[in-house]
Amino acid sequence: DGGITQSPKYLFRKEGQNVTLSCEQNLNHDAMYWYRQDPGQGLRLIYYSQIVNDFQKGDIAEGYSVSREKKESFPLTVTSAQKNPTAFYLCASIGTESTDTQYFGPGTRLTVL
Amino acid sequence: GQQVMQIPQYQHVQEGEDFTTYCNSSTTLSNIQWYKQRPGGHPVFLIQLVKSGEVKKQKRLTFQFGEAKKNSSLHITATQTTDVGTYFCAGYYDSGYALNFGKGTSLLVTP
Repeated sequence: DGGITQSPKYLFRKEGQNVTLSCEQNLNHDAMYWYRQDPGQGLRLIYYSQIVNDFQKGDIAEGYSVSREKKESFPLTVTSAQKNPTAFYLCASIGTESTDTQYFGPGTRLTVL
Repeated sequence: GQQVMQIPQYQHVQEGEDFTTYCNSSTTLSNIQWYKQRPGGHPVFLIQLVKSGEVKKQKRLTFQFGEAKKNSSLHITATQTTDVGTYFCAGYYDSGYALNFGKGTSLLVTP
């Protein structure tokens, strides 16, 4: 909750365009995550990053890319290679000092026209 | 692969009735967490269970972690309309760095 921001809240893009979703946290958390949520599918992990300049693919990384140049920021790019990009995208973070609790941002709802 | 299965997918109850959702894993979990997502919102952490056989309560909510640390349940007593939402379980495996989420149970409570 509070401390993680995602922008924009709603995003529309034309088919074939790349788009970057923002995720910023001021919680001083080390680990950050990107999830995709589709109706009835729960949360599926796209990418995660344990530390700056390092990230790992999740279960559905194809068609997505990320960067982690700063501890506070973990942007996600949805590329034109992602065949079904319309979804609700959630960013989350946890701190190493915590009990592994994930704090989620408010999400970005992406619609491809 | 390692997966967390959650049932039922949907549950519709009358206000005042009880509700339970169940999570199961084929392999042992190091811990399990529960989240609630209100319609249109984002998941919010409810609780974490770590010990085998652990039981925790939050007012009308009771959370259990199985003896073998492969299953968990969330029970709500006397549901209220404010309980509406989707409840997710999520667990860590000893070898993993990321939470594995169940698909969630969507609860609808009608007055």
